[in-house]
Amino acid sequence: DVKVTQSSRYLVKRTGEKVFLECVQDMDHENMFWYRQDPGLGLRLIYFSYDVKMKEKGDIPEGYSVSREKKERFSLILESASTNQTSMYLCASSLSGRALNTEAFFGQGTRLTVV
Amino acid sequence: DQQVKQNSPSLSVQEGRISILNCDYTNSMFDYFLWYKKYPAEGPTFLISISSIKDKNEDGRFTVFLNKSAKHLSLHIVPSQPGDSAVYFCAARPYNNNDMRFGAGTRLTVKP
Repeated sequence: DVKVTQSSRYLVKRTGEKVFLECVQDMDHENMFWYRQDPGLGLRLIYFSYDVKMKEKGDIPEGYSVSREKKERFSLILESASTNQTSMYLCASSLSGRALNTEAFFGQGTRLTVV
Repeated sequence: DQQVKQNSPSLSVQEGRISILNCDYTNSMFDYFLWYKKYPAEGPTFLISISSIKDKNEDGRFTVFLNKSAKHLSLHIVPSQPGDSAVYFCAARPYNNNDMRFGAGTRLTVKP
């Protein structure tokens, strides 16, 4: 079974802090994604990565950065946390290429509260 | 602007009846569509998918229909069971890119 593991289930951080959310997958997937889930807005793509050291902006990259130094690990960084970044953060991974079975597998989520 | 839209935030059906969840998309480059199910405090899990070369894909109680000309897809659950109660997300991606976009989700409640 594919396993996508996020380092924390719950985090509480102060405004202005630098926050790191870590994600590790064990299936040698090329693609990794960070989404945030908010009521009424669904899952919005923040960043994705299709290879080590490669990244692409999603729909809402402002205020975030990412790092992918190793294939299995994808980190989301909030440079200076703000209250509007309070949300559920979901990491996912998938195979790359044109295969049809490239559904994404998700971690359990990190609920971040910025106070 | 969201490229994948689920206009019904919630749906309630009786156990044993059919549940129909709808999804519309705007990006004509999308050609692979997926449905995910999410329980509270868990990540979404993949349910069923369909490529644009098909108009129907069935897996047990779950069937996804695609109307490419209308840019519309739907998920049918027959018969619905209380354990199906969850939030359902529609997702789509282009053929040559794994950038996957999601809708806002529909909360399905199946009443015993």
